[in-house]
Amino acid sequence: NAGVTQTPKFQVLKTGQSMTLQCAQDMNHEYMSWYRQDPGMGLRLIHYSVGAGITDQGEVPNGYNVSRSTTEDFPLRLLSAAPSQTSVYFCASSYSGSGIETQYFGPGTRLLVL
Amino acid sequence: SQQGEEDPQALSIQEGENATMNCSYKTSINNLQWYRQNSGRGLVHLILIRSNEREKHSGRLRVTLDTSKKSSSLLITASRAADTASYFCATDETYSGGGADGLTFGKGTHLIIQP
Repeated sequence: NAGVTQTPKFQVLKTGQSMTLQCAQDMNHEYMSWYRQDPGMGLRLIHYSVGAGITDQGEVPNGYNVSRSTTEDFPLRLLSAAPSQTSVYFCASSYSGSGIETQYFGPGTRLLVL
Repeated sequence: SQQGEEDPQALSIQEGENATMNCSYKTSINNLQWYRQNSGRGLVHLILIRSNEREKHSGRLRVTLDTSKKSSSLLITASRAADTASYFCATDETYSGGGADGLTFGKGTHLIIQP
């Protein structure tokens, strides 16, 4: 199993540009999520999905869109990039349980917005 | 909002010594998890402890949970240079008033193991 994969690894954008960060998992996990990590900070939840066709907002959703058309894929779209979105983005997946179960993280995408 | 807060922020010890990190949180939880992050890498799950458990072991790791004090500790015994990393506690927290939506992470403890 490849686990959780993310592309690209690095990206530089200009302010106002849009892009999609890709995330895929091959573990048949129902729950998938996106986090951002800023220097010296823990991870903050952007959006999450409990299954195909179901998405919801996390702590910091503004400026980001998600969709979940399949169990495997959970892309994150930046609509109009801003320098405040410079960060490292992590995708994670897990089985669905009574709480949030063990998360399997991807390697991350480093995004720089100029 | 940062639910989990680790203490200390940084810890430097000699190889072979034990390392203890603490985590405090604010609301009711279903479980608390500890993750490790090596520099520039993704997070790796270490251990999950449920709200009805008080202590859990995994190899050289020992985690305790005190729900009355809303705190947890992670003990790494017989530390090795490869244990150098940042360690995060994470709790499930509700954002929308319903079931838990995702994990809330603290800022982490940066552990350095001196050879």
